[in-house]
Amino acid sequence: DAGITQSPRHKVTETGTPVTLRCHQTENHRYMYWYRQDPGHGLRLIHYSYGVKDTDKGEVSDGYSVSRSKTEDFLLTLESATSSQTSVYFCAIRGAPGLAGPYQETQYFGPGTRLLVL
Amino acid sequence: GQQLNQSPQSMFIQEGEDVSMNCTSSSIFNTWLWYKQDPGEGPVLLIALYKAGELTSNGRLTAQFGITRKDSFLNISASIPSDVGIYFCAAAGADGLTFGKGTHLIIQP
Repeated sequence: DAGITQSPRHKVTETGTPVTLRCHQTENHRYMYWYRQDPGHGLRLIHYSYGVKDTDKGEVSDGYSVSRSKTEDFLLTLESATSSQTSVYFCAIRGAPGLAGPYQETQYFGPGTRLLVL
Repeated sequence: GQQLNQSPQSMFIQEGEDVSMNCTSSSIFNTWLWYKQDPGEGPVLLIALYKAGELTSNGRLTAQFGITRKDSFLNISASIPSDVGIYFCAAAGADGLTFGKGTHLIIQP
């Protein structure tokens, strides 16, 4: 158990509505990630964070923004949801405190948020 | 960009059979990871491999980091019903983690 929770776990919203998903971790990990998972595409990186207020774009960042004001929370916002953003969203953390080198590359995933945009 | 080719896409097997799946790439990676995902859940790490040639076991699961650093395989011995799910490979390189598209394991009664 990597101590990652995501909220909400399920959400239904309407096109054009803003939506914020939250990822919370309890083990002081520096790196956090947001992925989306879609049939035929697998897991794709949306944004990631390498520290408080330090974020960068991933492969599919258009239409998404993120914020990290505290180490433990990484927020993903859909400013104006579209039907193409219907997906399952996963948060992940990287590595484990006290480990170094290649062990830091391992990522651990949260339980996911299922988002349906009507 | 970097890609992982995971095969097979799906497997229909009988309970008790052994299972083998693999991931290949044209790129070199430093770490290979294998995850399992159950319906409605997030991927759970099964095995992590950090050194070329490394062979690691976790119960009935065995995985190897290819000597060329471009491939990895996962074997499951004596499959049981709870092995059903989607298995993903992932590899760590300069651009972060790259994922395979998954192998759907279905166990027929």
